[in-house]
Amino acid sequence: EAGVTQFPSHSVIEKGQTVTLRCDPISGHDNLYWYRRVMGKEIKFLLHFVKESKQDESGMPNNRFLAERTGGTYSTLKVQPAELEDSGVYFCASSRDFLTDTQYFGPGTRLTVL
Amino acid sequence: AQSVTQLGSHVSVSEGALVLLRCNYSSSVPPYLFWYVQYPNQGLQLLLKYTTGATLVKGINGFEAEFKKSETSFHLTKPSAHMSDAAEYFCASSRGGANAGKSTFGDGTTLTVKP
Repeated sequence: EAGVTQFPSHSVIEKGQTVTLRCDPISGHDNLYWYRRVMGKEIKFLLHFVKESKQDESGMPNNRFLAERTGGTYSTLKVQPAELEDSGVYFCASSRDFLTDTQYFGPGTRLTVL
Repeated sequence: AQSVTQLGSHVSVSEGALVLLRCNYSSSVPPYLFWYVQYPNQGLQLLLKYTTGATLVKGINGFEAEFKKSETSFHLTKPSAHMSDAAEYFCASSRGGANAGKSTFGDGTTLTVKP
């Protein structure tokens, strides 16, 4: 069984540019989560999809961030326009159900905004 | 609001020594608690989790953790450290129920194992 994959593994962009991160969850996992770790601090929740619907997006920092999960499969997280404080590692995780099921994490995308 | 505190951002032990990584949580309701490990260039891997029932939880790679409600703690231990245990460890909590997917993480503890 393939794990959670994320693309790209690294991205370096200039302030003001747009970046799109992609996450492919484990097949059959309806729940998909985005998290972010900034400057070696704690990993913070961004949002949670159940299939294609946003179950909880309370962690999204502002309207420069847009997450989609069309068709309930892979998800994208777009940052437009990127700011310096957006730099960090963006993790995606998936689970079969969200009550007590294990969340499986991808390796993360390291985003650097210059 | 939930919070998770990991005491010590860096812990160093000798190979064969006891590993103790500390985690305290604050929650208004009984939480679900997790320990994850992250090796370089890899995703977070679940070591163990506590949801309900037995308070001593055994995980993979010889790790275990004990849920102590009176101390609001969930410390991670391993009797004998191995070089391969060197990694970053994260404690996390979630509230369960409808908010189960939203985990709150600590800052992480980097474990170094000296030969």
